[in-house]
Amino acid sequence: QVQLVESGGGLVKPGGSLRLSCAGSGFTFSDYYMSWVRQAPGKGLEWLAYITGGSDKIYYADSVKGRFTISRDNAKNSLYLQMNSLRAEDTAVYYCTRDNYGSDHWGQGTLVTVSS
Amino acid sequence: EIVLTQSPGTLSLSPGDRATLSCRASQSVSNNYLAWHQQKPGQAPRLLINGASRRATGIPDRFSGSGSGTDFTLTISRLEPEDFAVYYCQQYGSSPWTFGQGTKVEVK
Repeated sequence: QVQLVESGGGLVKPGGSLRLSCAGSGFTFSDYYMSWVRQAPGKGLEWLAYITGGSDKIYYADSVKGRFTISRDNAKNSLYLQMNSLRAEDTAVYYCTRDNYGSDHWGQGTLVTVSS
Repeated sequence: EIVLTQSPGTLSLSPGDRATLSCRASQSVSNNYLAWHQQKPGQAPRLLINGASRRATGIPDRFSGSGSGTDFTLTISRLEPEDFAVYYCQQYGSSPWTFGQGTKVEVK
């Protein structure tokens, strides 16, 4: 069965950096777009970025463009989110999703807390 | 960017009731690439509907999606206790992809 497992979350100071990872299994990873979506405490879902299977197309939400970088390593069945210049408002649970006509599978999420 | 507006914000209903949730887009959603997701407290969202009306694998047939262009609806024909949750629409027809702000279906 399809499984997505995020890791790398934690507490980071404002202005700091963090790299999130998402390990995919149970499907041919390279065949699918993948995305990152976040959810601030008590708030709704915010789509952040997607990357195509071959990494030839990447798109970001304006809120993270220039600070966050999405990437993937198909040999390792892994998706990444490099987050730089973190702000308090980036505090959220970060989900990776497999995209197949919408986000059809979600990981369990990893919590990122930006605080001094 | 396509803005999705969901209404109502909260729906107070009883088990067995019919629920009708709306998602309105600020411009036409390409190819009706509109999905609905359900999220329960402390859990990740899960896909219910994509392509505006196609149920995802394992989703009960009491969930149905309809609509096209800018107006979309999720209907739950008879609410079961496990259906009380927050529902989000998502458009993936135009980049950036976007979510609506959510509709909470709560027990009356």
